[in-house]
Amino acid sequence: ETGVTQSPTHLIKTRGQQVTLRCSSQSGHNTVSWYQQALGQGPQFIFQYYREEENGRGNFPPRFSGLQFPNYSSELNVNALELDDSALYLCATRRPGQGNTGELFFGEGSRLTVL
Amino acid sequence: SQELEQSPQSLIVQEGKNLTINCTSSKTLYGLYWYKQKYGEGLIFLMMLQKGGEEKSHEKITAKLDEKKQQSSLHITASQPSHAGIYLCGADYNQGGKLIFGQGTELSVKP
Repeated sequence: ETGVTQSPTHLIKTRGQQVTLRCSSQSGHNTVSWYQQALGQGPQFIFQYYREEENGRGNFPPRFSGLQFPNYSSELNVNALELDDSALYLCATRRPGQGNTGELFFGEGSRLTVL
Repeated sequence: SQELEQSPQSLIVQEGKNLTINCTSSKTLYGLYWYKQKYGEGLIFLMMLQKGGEEKSHEKITAKLDEKKQQSSLHITASQPSHAGIYLCGADYNQGGKLIFGQGTELSVKP
């Protein structure tokens, strides 16, 4: 158990729709990052939030956006869904005081299928 | 080409055998993380290595980072069916929090 909870676990959308994925973590984990994992591939970094501000972004278009809330929970929003957005979306958090190093605690992921 | 390459891509071993998974970076890294993933599930942290030449062990799993900090290996001794899964190495190149992952090594252990 990593203490990171993601919802929903599975969902199906159609092209052009929008989706919101959610993540909550152990108390005080103030750094959260999101990864996309396509089938048979390693996870790819989407972005990272620290104290409600985005402080790092991977090579993903602006239709991928996020939020971090005062309780450090987070959302990943994807607009104008494309077939290639079908993937497992993973949320990961870090303990406070570790800066940008130290163990990343991953959730079980949200499996998105775009038809 | 990939920044981080894992080999082999897949591995089938008989229970009780030893095995090694390699992770090679095209440039010097700050830290190297090993994770295990069951199919379609989240990642379970195994070990993090930061110093050149560092070696860490947990139960029957040992990970090493070379002196140049460009190559790491994960060694499993006396494999068991519970070791089956996908092993991922992740590199931290700039302490920015972002990890670059390899494509993973799928391990099957035959009883």
